[in-house]
Amino acid sequence: DAGVIQSPRHEVTEMGQEVTLRCKPISGHNSLFWYRQTMMRGLELLIYFNNNVPIDDSGMPEDRFSAKMPNASFSTLKIQPSEPRDSAVYFCASSFDWGGGSEQYFGPGTRLTVT
Amino acid sequence: RKEVEQDPGPFNVPEGATVAFNCTYSNSASQSFFWYRQDCRKEPKLLMSVYSSGNEDGRFTAQLNRASQYISLLIRDSKLSDSATYLCVVNMDTGRRALTFGSGTRLQVQP
Repeated sequence: DAGVIQSPRHEVTEMGQEVTLRCKPISGHNSLFWYRQTMMRGLELLIYFNNNVPIDDSGMPEDRFSAKMPNASFSTLKIQPSEPRDSAVYFCASSFDWGGGSEQYFGPGTRLTVT
Repeated sequence: RKEVEQDPGPFNVPEGATVAFNCTYSNSASQSFFWYRQDCRKEPKLLMSVYSSGNEDGRFTAQLNRASQYISLLIRDSKLSDSATYLCVVNMDTGRRALTFGSGTRLQVQP
């Protein structure tokens, strides 16, 4: 079975540009999570969806970040405009949630560099 | 106090050694517990869930102590391939379904 799919795997962009990261969760999973990982701050939860509905976006750094999940098999995380401090690895994860916190399966990540 | 706390290490051990990691969590109502493994420049991968009665998977044993709010991971007969960062993960049961990840403990197994 295919795992969580993310694209692109690497993105290098200039400050001020729009960046869109994409994620396809595991089929049948009902929850999707976006994380950011840096050496300084570790793994941070940005936002998560349950049944395509955003449940908690308190981790989204600021209005420059937005996320959507138009259907059960696709989600995007957009940064506009991007800044050098956004450089990080962005992971998407999915799970089948029964309400108590289920194990999550991570995609390979998108390594973002903003110059 | 951090919600999930781990010793960052690194733990440097020789091949064949037994090594144990502990992790403490702040919310006594937490329901779900996991250990994840993350290799350098890779995504976190589920190593094992942690059950109240304790559980074992080959060389790996996980224990949960609800009274003291800590979980542990024991690795026996360490292999070079066990070198990685081990993440303690807890569902904090604050009405959120999301998991809370510890900052990880780095293990380096040496020949």
